[in-house]
Formats: sequence, structure tokens, C-alpha cells
Amino acid sequence: AQTVTQSQPEMSVQEAETVTLSCTYDTSENNYYLFWYKQPPSRQMILVIRQEAYKQQNATENRFSVNFQKAAKSFSLKISDSQLGDTAMYFCAFMQGGSEKLVFGKGTKLTVNP
Amino acid sequence: DTAVSQTPKYLVTQMGNDKSIKCEQNLGHDTMYWYKQDSKKFLKIMFSYNNKELIINETVPNRFSPKSPDKAHLNLHINSLELGDSAVYFCASSYFRASDTQYFGPGTRLTVL
Repeated sequence: AQTVTQSQPEMSVQEAETVTLSCTYDTSENNYYLFWYKQPPSRQMILVIRQEAYKQQNATENRFSVNFQKAAKSFSLKISDSQLGDTAMYFCAFMQGGSEKLVFGKGTKLTVNP
Repeated sequence: DTAVSQTPKYLVTQMGNDKSIKCEQNLGHDTMYWYKQDSKKFLKIMFSYNNKELIINETVPNRFSPKSPDKAHLNLHINSLELGDSAVYFCASSYFRASDTQYFGPGTRLTVL
């Protein structure tokens, strides 16, 4: 069974600085997808970024980018120019290709300080 | 426009009662899901329906019964509620067999007293 590990339960960063959230996963499959979701205090689950395992290029979305290391099974999220609105729980998630099942990590609580 | 909506947003009830949570999506997706987020924020899939057919059924007590009247709706009925059922329940939707991104509803916080 696939597992997703987020080793940092909590992190904090100063506004305008850069922070990196870690995620590792375990799978024997070659076809899979990785996601980062954000859950602010409002509780809404919001997609931050998606990465296809077959793509070598790291995905980026504005201030959010990933460092996808397939051999190391690592998928970290970098947030540049952190903003107060980035304060949230961040969940890393894995989906095997052809499956509809998202497997989540336990989350990292990020606090952006003014 | 709300993409995935859930009602109610909050539900407080007594042990032993039966309750339902409704979910609707207007994204044109054909697959819908129920996830449970426990008190430690851990999210786990419970069920998935594709075009009204059950495709994922994780190890969930049979007191939980999903029902999908059509591909835009997926309801969750819970019988004989227990204290341990207290959680946030999220509905999500996506396209089937495309490893598509799942879009989540706002969640329903269920509190069983």
C-alpha cells in the first residue's frame, strides 16, 4: 500500500520569506500523480499544485513550486514570498495512475508571521 | 458559483440518531467521493461513486451508506451515530479514470454528543 509521510508537523516563516515543506512517499508503481492541497482555517481543501510522475519538469504555480525527486520518492513544496494568507495546513497526497484514490499525508501546519 | 457544495456545514446530534449529509457538484464530473478528516486532521477516503456505481468502498462500518441518485449528487447517510463518528466529512468530485484532480466541498463538521 502506498504511504505518504510529512515529517514536519509544524513550521513557521516570516512574511516575504521562502519556506519548503517536505513530503516523501512509498510506492512500487511507475505511473502516479502527486498533489499539494492547502486547508486554511476556513476548512476548505484547495488544490495548490499537481505533478505527474512521468514529467521530469517540476510543476510551478505562481509563488508555489515543487522539487520532485522521483528516485528519492520526494515531493517538496516551496512557497516563495510567503504571505499571511498562506497560513494553513498543507497536505501532500498521492494517487496511483488509473486509481481514483487519494492517499494523504498527515499534514504540515504552516504559520506565516508578520 | 459553488463547484462542490455540501449541506449542512455543521451538524450536532445525539448518539444513536440517524443523519444525512448531502453533496452536489456542478463541474460536470462523473465521479464523487466521501472523505473523513479526524480530530488529528488526517484525511482518509471512505467511498467513491462513478455514474451512480460504487467503485471504492474502504473499510467503513456498514452504518455508513452512500447514495448517488445521479452523477451530480452523492449523499452520505449514517445510522446509529457513535461518538467516534465525530469528524469533518468532505465530498469531492473529479473525472473518472483520468487520475484527475479532485475538487473538494467545504466540509461538514459532525459532532456526536
